Amino acid sequence: GQQLNQSPQSMFIQEGEDVSMNCTSSSIFNTWLWYKQDPGEGPVLLIALYKAGELTSNGRLTAQFGITRKDSFLNISASIPSDVGIYFCAGQIIQGAQKLVFGQGTRLTINP
Amino acid sequence: DTGVSQDPRHKITKRGQNVTFRCDPISEHNRLYWYRQTLGQGPEFLTYFQNEAQLEKSRLLSDRFSAERPKGSFSTLEIQRTEQGDSAMYLCASSLMEYQPQHFGDGTRLSIL
Repeated sequence: GQQLNQSPQSMFIQEGEDVSMNCTSSSIFNTWLWYKQDPGEGPVLLIALYKAGELTSNGRLTAQFGITRKDSFLNISASIPSDVGIYFCAGQIIQGAQKLVFGQGTRLTINP
Repeated sequence: DTGVSQDPRHKITKRGQNVTFRCDPISEHNRLYWYRQTLGQGPEFLTYFQNEAQLEKSRLLSDRFSAERPKGSFSTLEIQRTEQGDSAMYLCASSLMEYQPQHFGDGTRLSIL
């Protein structure tokens, strides 16, 4: 089935540093989404991207929908302790159920 | 505005038992999804409802799994004759209409003894 390759798998950074993670696919998606998941909780939507080349910000978060529609990246600027968690990219299939295909996640750890 | 609600949050059961989970989507969201997430992985699609109609099922959904959404509001996911491999987090998501983002509940974590 379809798979998304998300990297890096984990990151260990100092508080205040910027973070960058990305997702690539062999398939084209019409929508890319980024979610954050804390332990024992469900994924929380951070940013949704609907158009190739689109660059969208949500506070300190910025995400882009790749021009080929096969990739996306997420940047977090000036990281703070509450940014700790697992970040997932998801591509949305436009047909039928419009189900989400998720990457394997990037685990972010921040040293204060 | 309440989010997606799932019950129970945790379920521990013996192999071979049946379990049922409930999902209450965000009010007026007509699209409801079930996903399964195992440790260290992203969620994987199981099934989808539009109103009360179950329109798509993944091959992951064996014949021991059944899902319903009888009145187009809440949904249930039942697993019969549970197996060790069923241990996972079962997540429910809903969206208002097509092309809208899916919002997730906090899941039901199933542990099979």
